[in-house]
This record gives sequence, C-alpha cells and structure tokens, in this order.
Amino acid sequence: RKEVEQDPGPFNVPEGATVAFNCTYSNSASQSFFWYRQDCRKEPKLLMSVYSSGNEDGRFTAQLNRASQYISLLIRDSKLSDSATYLCVVNTNAGKSTFGDGTTLTVKP
Amino acid sequence: DTEVTQTPKHLVMGMTNKKSLKCEQHMGHRAMYWYKQKAKKPPELMFVYSYEKLSINESVPSRFSPECPNSSLLNLHLHALQPEDSALYLCASSLYEQGEQFFGPGTRLTVL
Repeated sequence: RKEVEQDPGPFNVPEGATVAFNCTYSNSASQSFFWYRQDCRKEPKLLMSVYSSGNEDGRFTAQLNRASQYISLLIRDSKLSDSATYLCVVNTNAGKSTFGDGTTLTVKP
Repeated sequence: DTEVTQTPKHLVMGMTNKKSLKCEQHMGHRAMYWYKQKAKKPPELMFVYSYEKLSINESVPSRFSPECPNSSLLNLHLHALQPEDSALYLCASSLYEQGEQFFGPGTRLTVL
C-alpha cells in the first residue's frame, strides 16, 4: 500500500462546478499536511496548508481528519484557471515528505 | 526575497560528464531539499538538509551527491549519470523541516 494515496482522476468539470479531492495517508505519525498545485512543466506551488480545524481561502477549503487519516480539498465555483494537477503532501515527524500521485483537474467552459 | 532560484534551467550531459546543479534561497529557511520528478509522476524526495544535517533517501544512487556550502545554498553534484536519470530536478526550501516548502523552477536534465 502506498504511503499517500490520492483520487486517481482525472476530473473534468464545467466552469462553476464544485469539485472535491481526497487523499489518504498510512503513517499515523504524520505531522503536517499540504495541498500543492502543479501546472504542466512547472514547479509545484503551495496552495494551502491543512489544519485539524479546517481552513478556507476564498473558493478553496481544506480539511484534515486524523482519525480516518485523510485530507480533502474542496474547490467551489471552478474557474478555467483552476485546471492543473493537485498534489497532497504529507510530512512525518522525521522530516520525510511524501507526495501523492496527483489528481488532474480540467475545468471546461 | 521570497523565491528559490535554480541554475541552470536546462542541462544536457553525457554519461561521462560531471556537472552540478545549484539552488539558492534568501528567505532564511533552515531546510532545503532536492527532488526528482519524472513526467506524469509526483516529485520524489532525494535529499534533505536541515540545520546542517543531511538526510538521504537510501534509494538514491551514489552518482548523485548533495553539498550544502551554507544555509542559503544547495548544490547537487552529478557524475556518471544514466539516461534514466533524465528528469526535472526540483529544489525546495522551508523555514523548518515540517513546514511549507517553496519550490524553485527546476532544472530539466537530459542524459545522453
């Protein structure tokens, strides 16, 4: 079993749709959690850190469920510019960063 | 200065060459990382320098060797690479080892 597993996707949604991605992790000692987006042939860019209390940034909401060991990302009112690959990242307390395989989102007009 | 810079942007090298990739940040971050990313795959952690201590992914072959001259610079020395080492090499930094990582634009390496 992979340490970090993401929804395989791809997700193809119309503009204005709400889309949710999930990511599960196997190491219960994991300490910090993030969502990144990566555009084609570019570097990953931090989208959000994920906190136990959940956090929101505009149209984006991230949640962490430690008991079930998953994190989620919700995108409301999708824009064409949201098209990208979304990567979840899980860090252990030993400083090891593990990326999920990524979920590709395409938002269509 | 809130960015991580990497040089060169592109590198083509033969299997007998020795080359180095460079990474620099001036955000006062104390952890720096090297990742390798193949097409349509996620970044894979190679090395971490945190507070002058090196952590290695044991699956990384010895033809890759990191060097951290100071807390702002991170080099990756390449020697006797194989064609399968062709990939995007990403550098990242974070304030501390558990923190949010900020990535440089990467070096696209081709080994002939």
